Amino acid sequence: GAGVSQSPSNKVTEKGKDVELRCDPISGHTALYWYRQSLGQGLEFLIYFQGNSAPDKSGLPSDRFSAERTGGSVSTLTIQRTQQEDSAVYLCASRLLGLAGRKYEQFFGPGTRLTVL
Amino acid sequence: GQQLNQSPQSMFIQEGEDVSMNCTSSSIFNTWLWYKQEPGEGPVLLIALYKAGELTSNGRLTAQFGITRKDSFLNISASIPSDVGIYFCAGQTSGSRLTFGEGTQLTVNP
Repeated sequence: GAGVSQSPSNKVTEKGKDVELRCDPISGHTALYWYRQSLGQGLEFLIYFQGNSAPDKSGLPSDRFSAERTGGSVSTLTIQRTQQEDSAVYLCASRLLGLAGRKYEQFFGPGTRLTVL
Repeated sequence: GQQLNQSPQSMFIQEGEDVSMNCTSSSIFNTWLWYKQEPGEGPVLLIALYKAGELTSNGRLTAQFGITRKDSFLNISASIPSDVGIYFCAGQTSGSRLTFGEGTQLTVNP
């Protein structure tokens, strides 16, 4: 597709279960980001990928959160032993490095709404 | 860590009115960006500012990068119903992460 896609769009899980959220960035975008948006709040940075490596993972809130990226494309955010405070919209963004005149533009996906019961 | 204070939190205006919102920071940013988010969607970039003092327009939108690099404002002129949404400021230093404000919820009454 033309934009960033994320799946699932909605996920309801029980406390203590693990969840995996997927992000398909725009083709050719080397940089990929995960953010979290709690209800009525701004976006909170989680992790940044450059290719398949993560030079900045300082926003991950606990060791229950992890992410990987393979083939310089798809990324998966995994939350283990989910807690109710993990409920939020998880947004993914990608960026084409070096795009002249728009070098900082991150294109966002529609997000995955996670609800932990 | 870095924090952005965005105000106002919400605005209720009549169609045709002008709107102004702003962000301030306790630290310096090299880039300021303004995004709009509609329900069920990710944020969409409206305006990007790369230099202190820069004033940039995009249609009815105008934004400025404060001279101190610690603030920015966004103006919307002659508002229309489709301007409804949440507007976010975001700042960036070196490195790639964006720091977001908490958003301004805009409601436009026809």
